[in-house]
Amino acid sequence: DSGVTQTPKHLITATGQRVTLRCSPRSGDLSVYWYQQSLDQGLQFLIQYYNGEERAKGNILERFSAQQFPDLHSELNLSSLELGDSALYFCASSVGRRGDDEQFFGPGTRLTVL
Amino acid sequence: AQSVAQPEDQVNVAEGNPLTVKCTYSVSGNPYLFWYVQYPNRGLQFLLKYITGDNLVKGSYGFEAEFNKSQTSFHLKKPSALVSDSALYFCAVIPKRDSGAGSYQLTFGKGTKLSVIP
Repeated sequence: DSGVTQTPKHLITATGQRVTLRCSPRSGDLSVYWYQQSLDQGLQFLIQYYNGEERAKGNILERFSAQQFPDLHSELNLSSLELGDSALYFCASSVGRRGDDEQFFGPGTRLTVL
Repeated sequence: AQSVAQPEDQVNVAEGNPLTVKCTYSVSGNPYLFWYVQYPNRGLQFLLKYITGDNLVKGSYGFEAEFNKSQTSFHLKKPSALVSDSALYFCAVIPKRDSGAGSYQLTFGKGTKLSVIP
């Protein structure tokens, strides 16, 4: 158990809908990272937050947004969903802010868009 | 831009035999290099990391990796494979920074599926 929790485990929704994925980092970690894992794209970095502020942005679509709250949990919002958004979404956390330390991954949320 | 190549989608090895999972990278400057493992229906787990110094890095579960700067490679190795090592292995890279307030994103390879045959 990495200490990172993600909810829900599975999410099934329809095209055009909006969903929110939630992540609680490991105790003491200030950075939260979001990744998308799909068969065709592999593991893609989406965005990083450190202590409530956005630190780095990767291949995140404009339809997607994230935030980190004062209690350090984070939410990833996906809107106007398309079939291609179906994927496994991972949250990870680490102590540092530079992105170069060991990251602890949650179990992921599997999103299916029908 | 940084990139990672894992040239083998799948590696099969007999239990008890040595295993190697290959990784090459491209990054500006010196790299930090990582190996992560993903078991079925689980998140990724950190195995080891190269920062600087000794080119042979020892990690969790008996794994080690050898950094070769001239070949820009960071191959994962284990002297004797176990059936329980069967999983998906990811190599990742990030450029090393000496200072600065910036943040870099970890770039992962496509992954290599390791199957250890009893």
